[in-house]
Amino acid sequence: SQQGEEDPQALSIQEGENATMNCSYKTSINNLQWYRQNSGRGLVHLILIRSNEREKHSGRLRVTLDTSKKSSSLLITASRAADTASYFCATVINFGNEKLTFGTGTRLTIIP
Amino acid sequence: EPEVTQTPSHQVTQMGQEVILRCVPISNHLYFYWYRQILGQKVEFLVSFYNNEISEKSEIFDDQFSVERPDGSNFTLKIRSTKLEDSAMYFCASSAGTGVTDTQYFGPGTRLTVL
Repeated sequence: SQQGEEDPQALSIQEGENATMNCSYKTSINNLQWYRQNSGRGLVHLILIRSNEREKHSGRLRVTLDTSKKSSSLLITASRAADTASYFCATVINFGNEKLTFGTGTRLTIIP
Repeated sequence: EPEVTQTPSHQVTQMGQEVILRCVPISNHLYFYWYRQILGQKVEFLVSFYNNEISEKSEIFDDQFSVERPDGSNFTLKIRSTKLEDSAMYFCASSAGTGVTDTQYFGPGTRLTVL
C-alpha cells in the first residue's frame, strides 16, 4: 500500500452541499497537508495540520487528523462551482525525510 | 502575493535531447524542490535542495538528472538525455523553512513532452 490514499476517487455533488474527502496513510507523520489542483494546472496549498493537532479550519475548509487511525478528512462546506478540482493529501514524515508524499487524489465535481 | 514561477510552460523535445527547466522560487525561501506528475498519476518527489546542495533525492532522480542554483534567484532541473517516460508535468516548489516546519509553495508547472 502507498502512503496517502484518498477516498473516494471521485465525488460529484450539487452546489451548496458539503463535500468530504478522506485520506489514509501508513507511516507516522510530522504533518499532513491538503492541496488543490485545477485541471492541468499547479498545486495550490490549502491547509497544513500537524501531528499534535486534531482539527483545523480555514474559511469553508475543515480538516481533521486522527493519528491513531492514520487518517485525515477534508470538509468543504457550502460548495461552489469553483471548488471543482482534484484534491490531494500529502504527508511529511520528519526531519531528514521532509519531502511531500502525495496521495492519489479525489476528483471533486460541483454541479451547478 | 509572492509566487513561484516556472518557464517554459510547455517544452517539446526529441528523445535523447537535453532539457533545462527553470524556476524562480519565492525570494526569501531557502528550500527548493522538484516534483513531477505523469499524466493521470500522483505527484512524485524528485529532489530537494538546500544551502547549495541536494538534501534528499528519490530513486527517480538518477544520473540523468541534475539541479543547480546558478544565481540568487533561479533554480534549474536538467535532464541530460530525455526518454519517452520523462514526459510529465514538472513542478518546482519552495519553502521558507524545512518541509517539517513550513509549507511548500508550488509553481504552475512545466509540461514536458518527449517525442
